[in-house]
Amino acid sequence: DAGVIQSPRHEVTEMGQEVTLRCKPISGHNSLFWYRQTMMRGLELLIYFNNNVPIDDSGMPEDRFSAKMPNASFSTLKIQPSEPRDSAVYFCASSFDQPQHFGDGTRLSIL
Amino acid sequence: SQQGEEDPQALSIQEGENATMNCSYKTSINNLQWYRQNSGRGLVHLILIRSNEREKHSGRLRVTLDTSKKSSSLLITASRAADTASYFCATGEKTSYDKVIFGPGTSLSVIP
Repeated sequence: DAGVIQSPRHEVTEMGQEVTLRCKPISGHNSLFWYRQTMMRGLELLIYFNNNVPIDDSGMPEDRFSAKMPNASFSTLKIQPSEPRDSAVYFCASSFDQPQHFGDGTRLSIL
Repeated sequence: SQQGEEDPQALSIQEGENATMNCSYKTSINNLQWYRQNSGRGLVHLILIRSNEREKHSGRLRVTLDTSKKSSSLLITASRAADTASYFCATGEKTSYDKVIFGPGTSLSVIP
């Protein structure tokens, strides 16, 4: 079992650029979650999918953020245009029932 | 919105001592889970307790749940330096697929 795989592990880019974060969930899992973690706000749920369908995107900060899950083995989180306040660690997690299994995250720095 | 609130925010103990962390929540839950996060890594699931359970054990971990007080505690016995990490409680709501809401966490330092 390879676990949840996220790429890239680190991303440094300039303000205004498009950022795409990628996630490969554990095979057989039917729920996928995107979280953002910062010192100030802790771990925030951005969006989650069930059977590739977005169920709740109420945590997505604004229209600059979008997420897709074109199939059961791949999801992306896109930020366009990026801003310095988007700097955080972004986690992807997957599950089948409980519990959730987390990737090691993408550390994003927007300069 | 945060559902669970851990207490204390930070805890420092000597190796061999027991560590107790508490979690309080506001609404009805289906289950409550505890996760650990080592620095620079993702969260790792430790234990899940369902709303109809009162206590659960896993190795050196003991979790209790009091639904009347809307609170849970995580006890780590005979702590080791390797237990140094942040610990999060997460509440699973009755209606939301596999969604859970994480608290802000307790940072545990175990001094060798």
